[in-house]
Amino acid sequence: EDQVTQSPEALRLQEGESSSLNCSYTVSGLRGLFWYRQDPGKGPEFLFTLYSAGEEKEKERLKATLTKKESFLHITAPKPEDSATYLCAVQAGSYNTDKLIFGTGTRLQVFP
Amino acid sequence: NAGVTQTPKFQVLKTGQSMTLQCAQDMNHEYMSWYRQDPGMGLRLIHYSVGAGITDQGEVPNGYNVSRSTTEDFPLRLLSAAPSQTSVYFCASSPGTSEFKETQYFGPGTRLLVL
Repeated sequence: EDQVTQSPEALRLQEGESSSLNCSYTVSGLRGLFWYRQDPGKGPEFLFTLYSAGEEKEKERLKATLTKKESFLHITAPKPEDSATYLCAVQAGSYNTDKLIFGTGTRLQVFP
Repeated sequence: NAGVTQTPKFQVLKTGQSMTLQCAQDMNHEYMSWYRQDPGMGLRLIHYSVGAGITDQGEVPNGYNVSRSTTEDFPLRLLSAAPSQTSVYFCASSPGTSEFKETQYFGPGTRLLVL
C-alpha cells in the first residue's frame, strides 16, 4: 500500500537551533515529492518539488533533499516566523493513474 | 491575481442538509481539485478536474458531487450532509496536466461543521 510517513509529529526548537524533518515513503512509481508549508487557518503553500534521488533544493533557511526512500527538510538557524506545519506529499503512478498522497505533517514551533 | 478563492469560510449544517462550496481561480489553470483535511490524517483528494467539462473521482468521493462548466470555477456539492463530513475543505489548482500536480496553489479553506 502506498504510504507517506512524516516524523516527528511535532518539533520545538530554539531560535537558531538547526534541525531536520523527515518524510519517508513507500510508493510504486514515484514521479515527484513535494514539500508544503501550512500556517494555522490557511491553505498549504508550495515550497519544493524533488524528482530524483540525490536532488537538493534550497530556499532561504530551508533545504530539501531526496533519497530512494525518504526526503529531509533541513532548517538552518530557524526563526520564529518559520513556525508552521510542514507537509510532504508524493506523486506516484503512471501518467494516467497518478495520485498525490499527503503525509500528516510535522508541526514546527520556533521559540525566540 | 486573487489566486484561488473559496466561499464560505465557515459553515454550520444540520444532518441531511445540502450545500455547495464554491471555488474559483483567476490563473487560467487547467487542473483543479478538492481535498479534505482531518486531524491526524493527511489531505485526501475528493474530486478533481483536468479541464472544463472533465471531472473524476479521487480517494474519498462518496457524498460529494462536482462539475466544471468553466475553467475558473469548480464547486463542490454536499448532497446530504453527515457528521462524518465535518472537516476543512481545500480547493487547489495548477497550470497543466502533464506534471499537473506540481506547484498546486491552495485556497484558504472552508471549515464545515455538520451537526
